[in-house]
Amino acid sequence: QVQLVQSGAEVKEAGTPVKVSCKASGFTFPAYYMHWVRQAPGQGLEWMAMINPSGDDSTYARKFQGRVIVTRDTSTSTVYMEVNSLRSEDTAIYYCVRGCGSGSCFDPWGQGTRVTVSS
Amino acid sequence: DIQLTQSPSSLSASVGDSVNITCRASRGVNNYLAWFQQKPGKAPKSLIYSATSLQSGVPSKFSGSGFGTDFTLTISSLQPEDFATYYCQQYHLPPFTFGGGTTVETK
Repeated sequence: QVQLVQSGAEVKEAGTPVKVSCKASGFTFPAYYMHWVRQAPGQGLEWMAMINPSGDDSTYARKFQGRVIVTRDTSTSTVYMEVNSLRSEDTAIYYCVRGCGSGSCFDPWGQGTRVTVSS
Repeated sequence: DIQLTQSPSSLSASVGDSVNITCRASRGVNNYLAWFQQKPGKAPKSLIYSATSLQSGVPSKFSGSGFGTDFTLTISSLQPEDFATYYCQQYHLPPFTFGGGTTVETK
Protein backbone atom coordinates (compact mmCIF):
# COMPACT_ATOMS: atom_id res chain seq x y z
CA GLN A 1 0.00 0.00 0.00
CA VAL A 2 0.97 3.63 -0.41
CA GLN A 3 2.79 4.73 2.70
CA LEU A 4 5.42 7.03 4.15
CA VAL A 5 7.47 5.82 7.11
CA GLN A 6 9.50 8.37 9.03
CA SER A 7 12.52 8.03 11.27
CA GLY A 8 12.21 7.95 15.03
CA ALA A 9 11.96 10.64 17.65
CA GLU A 10 14.95 12.90 18.29
CA VAL A 11 16.11 14.88 21.31
CA LYS A 12 18.63 17.55 20.40
CA GLU A 13 20.44 20.39 22.08
CA ALA A 14 19.86 23.94 20.90
CA GLY A 15 22.26 24.98 18.17
CA THR A 16 22.73 21.47 16.77
CA PRO A 17 21.21 20.06 13.56
CA VAL A 18 18.66 17.30 13.09
CA LYS A 19 17.96 15.25 9.99
CA VAL A 20 14.63 13.46 9.59
CA SER A 21 14.03 10.81 6.94
CA CYS A 22 10.85 9.66 5.22
CA LYS A 23 10.83 6.43 3.21
CA ALA A 24 8.16 6.02 0.56
CA SER A 25 6.67 2.80 -0.75
CA GLY A 26 3.76 1.65 -2.87
CA PHE A 27 3.94 4.41 -5.48
CA THR A 28 6.22 5.85 -8.15
CA PHE A 29 8.38 8.03 -5.92
CA PRO A 30 10.11 10.00 -8.74
CA ALA A 31 6.73 11.20 -10.01
CA TYR A 32 5.75 13.25 -6.97
CA TYR A 33 6.63 16.44 -5.17
CA MET A 34 7.23 15.79 -1.49
CA HIS A 35 6.39 18.24 1.28
CA TRP A 36 7.29 18.80 4.93
CA VAL A 37 4.83 20.16 7.48
CA ARG A 38 5.35 20.68 11.20
CA GLN A 39 3.14 21.06 14.24
CA ALA A 40 4.34 22.61 17.47
CA PRO A 41 2.75 21.34 20.70
CA GLY A 42 -0.89 22.39 20.88
CA GLN A 43 -0.59 24.42 17.70
CA GLY A 44 -1.81 24.19 14.10
CA LEU A 45 -0.11 22.92 10.98
CA GLU A 46 2.75 24.84 9.36
CA TRP A 47 3.96 24.17 5.83
CA MET A 48 7.74 24.24 5.67
CA ALA A 49 9.06 23.18 2.30
CA MET A 50 8.72 21.04 -0.80
CA ILE A 51 11.07 19.32 -3.23
CA ASN A 52 10.37 18.62 -6.88
CA PRO A 53 10.25 15.08 -8.34
CA SER A 54 13.78 15.18 -9.75
CA GLY A 55 15.22 16.60 -6.53
CA ASP A 56 16.95 19.54 -8.17
CA ASP A 57 14.62 22.26 -6.91
CA SER A 58 13.32 22.97 -3.42
CA THR A 59 11.01 25.70 -2.20
CA TYR A 60 10.97 26.89 1.41
CA ALA A 61 8.70 29.03 3.53
CA ARG A 62 10.50 32.31 4.16
CA LYS A 63 11.05 31.64 7.87
CA PHE A 64 12.94 28.42 7.10
CA GLN A 65 15.01 29.71 4.18
CA GLY A 66 18.71 29.17 4.86
CA ARG A 67 18.17 26.97 7.91
CA VAL A 68 16.26 24.01 6.45
CA ILE A 69 17.45 21.76 3.64
CA VAL A 70 15.23 19.21 1.89
CA THR A 71 16.78 16.50 -0.26
CA ARG A 72 15.66 13.23 -1.79
CA ASP A 73 17.27 9.97 -2.89
CA THR A 74 15.44 8.24 -5.70
CA SER A 75 17.51 5.06 -5.31
CA THR A 76 16.03 4.50 -1.84
CA SER A 77 12.73 6.37 -2.31
CA THR A 78 13.59 8.52 0.67
CA VAL A 79 13.16 12.23 1.30
CA TYR A 80 15.14 14.03 4.00
CA MET A 81 14.72 17.25 5.91
CA GLU A 82 17.59 18.79 7.84
CA VAL A 83 17.03 21.65 10.27
CA ASN A 84 20.17 23.46 11.35
CA SER A 85 20.83 25.64 14.39
CA LEU A 86 17.90 24.20 16.31
CA ARG A 87 16.00 26.48 18.68
CA SER A 88 13.54 25.65 21.43
CA GLU A 89 10.71 26.84 19.15
CA ASP A 90 11.63 24.07 16.68
CA THR A 91 10.24 21.54 19.15
CA ALA A 92 7.46 19.99 17.10
CA ILE A 93 6.20 16.96 15.22
CA TYR A 94 7.50 16.95 11.67
CA TYR A 95 5.47 15.27 8.92
CA CYS A 96 6.35 14.35 5.35
CA VAL A 97 3.48 14.37 2.84
CA ARG A 98 3.17 13.26 -0.75
CA GLY A 99 2.15 16.02 -3.13
CA CYS A 100 -0.44 15.98 -5.88
CA GLY A 101 -0.83 13.34 -8.56
CA SER A 102 -3.66 11.78 -10.48
CA GLY A 103 -6.57 11.23 -8.16
CA SER A 104 -5.03 12.51 -4.95
CA CYS A 105 -3.31 15.43 -3.32
CA PHE A 106 -1.41 15.76 -0.03
CA ASP A 107 -1.97 12.12 0.75
CA PRO A 108 -0.65 10.09 2.46
CA TRP A 109 1.11 11.62 5.44
CA GLY A 110 3.97 10.05 7.32
CA GLN A 111 3.36 9.08 10.92
CA GLY A 112 5.31 12.08 12.17
CA THR A 113 8.68 12.49 13.88
CA ARG A 114 8.83 14.24 17.23
CA VAL A 115 11.81 16.53 17.59
CA THR A 116 12.50 17.94 21.04
CA VAL A 117 15.03 20.73 21.43
CA SER A 118 16.51 21.25 24.86
CA SER A 119 18.19 24.48 25.86
CA ASP B 1 1.85 35.03 1.68
CA ILE B 2 -1.78 33.94 1.30
CA GLN B 3 -3.61 33.95 4.63
CA LEU B 4 -6.41 31.46 5.30
CA THR B 5 -9.03 32.31 7.90
CA GLN B 6 -11.17 29.47 9.15
CA SER B 7 -14.45 29.97 10.99
CA PRO B 8 -15.55 29.12 13.48
CA SER B 9 -12.42 28.21 15.45
CA SER B 10 -14.52 25.71 17.37
CA LEU B 11 -18.07 24.46 17.36
CA SER B 12 -20.22 22.15 19.45
CA ALA B 13 -22.52 19.70 17.73
CA SER B 14 -24.46 16.52 18.41
CA VAL B 15 -24.36 13.14 16.72
CA GLY B 16 -26.54 13.35 13.63
CA ASP B 17 -26.02 17.08 13.09
CA SER B 18 -24.65 18.57 9.89
CA VAL B 19 -21.94 21.21 10.21
CA ASN B 20 -20.27 23.72 7.91
CA ILE B 21 -16.73 25.02 8.27
CA THR B 22 -15.63 27.96 6.18
CA CYS B 23 -12.20 28.94 4.93
CA ARG B 24 -11.53 32.37 3.44
CA ALA B 25 -8.36 33.16 1.52
CA SER B 26 -6.75 36.61 1.50
CA ARG B 27 -6.46 36.34 -2.28
CA GLY B 28 -7.82 33.99 -4.90
CA VAL B 29 -6.47 30.45 -4.93
CA ASN B 30 -8.62 29.12 -7.81
CA ASN B 31 -9.61 25.63 -6.65
CA TYR B 32 -6.24 24.76 -5.10
CA LEU B 33 -7.72 24.14 -1.68
CA ALA B 34 -7.55 21.01 0.47
CA TRP B 35 -9.21 19.93 3.70
CA PHE B 36 -7.75 17.69 6.40
CA GLN B 37 -9.01 15.99 9.54
CA GLN B 38 -6.75 15.51 12.55
CA LYS B 39 -7.45 13.56 15.71
CA PRO B 40 -5.37 13.94 18.89
CA GLY B 41 -2.00 12.24 18.65
CA LYS B 42 -2.50 11.32 14.99
CA ALA B 43 -1.21 12.57 11.66
CA PRO B 44 -3.64 14.63 9.60
CA LYS B 45 -5.80 12.77 7.11
CA SER B 46 -6.67 14.14 3.71
CA LEU B 47 -10.39 14.54 3.05
CA ILE B 48 -10.85 16.86 0.08
CA TYR B 49 -8.55 18.26 -2.61
CA SER B 50 -9.13 20.63 -5.52
CA ALA B 51 -11.81 22.22 -3.32
CA THR B 52 -14.47 19.62 -4.18
CA SER B 53 -12.79 16.26 -4.92
CA LEU B 54 -13.17 13.55 -2.33
CA GLN B 55 -9.98 11.70 -1.46
CA SER B 56 -10.23 7.96 -2.16
CA GLY B 57 -11.72 6.06 0.76
CA VAL B 58 -13.26 9.12 2.40
CA PRO B 59 -17.00 8.76 3.01
CA SER B 60 -19.37 10.90 0.98
CA LYS B 61 -20.67 12.55 4.16
CA PHE B 62 -17.76 14.92 3.65
CA SER B 63 -18.12 17.45 0.86
CA GLY B 64 -16.32 20.58 -0.21
CA SER B 65 -17.44 23.62 -2.17
CA GLY B 66 -16.14 26.97 -3.26
CA PHE B 67 -13.73 28.66 -5.65
CA GLY B 68 -11.46 31.66 -5.51
CA THR B 69 -11.50 33.00 -1.96
CA ASP B 70 -14.43 31.34 -0.17
CA PHE B 71 -14.66 27.66 0.62
CA THR B 72 -16.80 25.39 2.76
CA LEU B 73 -16.37 21.93 4.23
CA THR B 74 -19.68 20.26 5.03
CA ILE B 75 -19.94 17.22 7.25
CA SER B 76 -23.35 15.59 7.24
CA SER B 77 -24.81 13.34 9.90
CA LEU B 78 -21.97 13.68 12.42
CA GLN B 79 -20.82 10.44 13.99
CA PRO B 80 -18.62 10.03 17.09
CA GLU B 81 -15.53 9.43 14.92
CA ASP B 82 -16.02 12.81 13.20
CA PHE B 83 -15.26 14.86 16.31
CA ALA B 84 -11.81 16.19 15.47
CA THR B 85 -9.94 19.26 14.27
CA TYR B 86 -10.24 20.27 10.63
CA TYR B 87 -7.77 22.34 8.61
CA CYS B 88 -7.88 23.92 5.17
CA GLN B 89 -4.74 24.46 3.08
CA GLN B 90 -4.11 26.41 -0.11
CA TYR B 91 -1.62 25.10 -2.63
CA HIS B 92 -2.00 27.79 -5.27
CA LEU B 93 1.19 29.65 -4.33
CA PRO B 94 4.00 28.73 -1.94
CA PRO B 95 4.17 28.92 0.99
CA PHE B 96 1.23 26.51 1.01
CA THR B 97 -0.42 27.95 4.08
CA PHE B 98 -2.93 26.31 6.40
CA GLY B 99 -5.93 27.78 8.14
CA GLY B 100 -5.87 27.98 11.92
CA GLY B 101 -8.11 24.95 12.37
CA THR B 102 -11.67 24.27 13.50
CA THR B 103 -12.30 21.93 16.41
CA VAL B 104 -15.61 20.06 16.25
CA GLU B 105 -16.61 19.08 19.78
CA THR B 106 -19.46 17.07 21.12
CA LYS B 107 -22.28 19.11 22.61
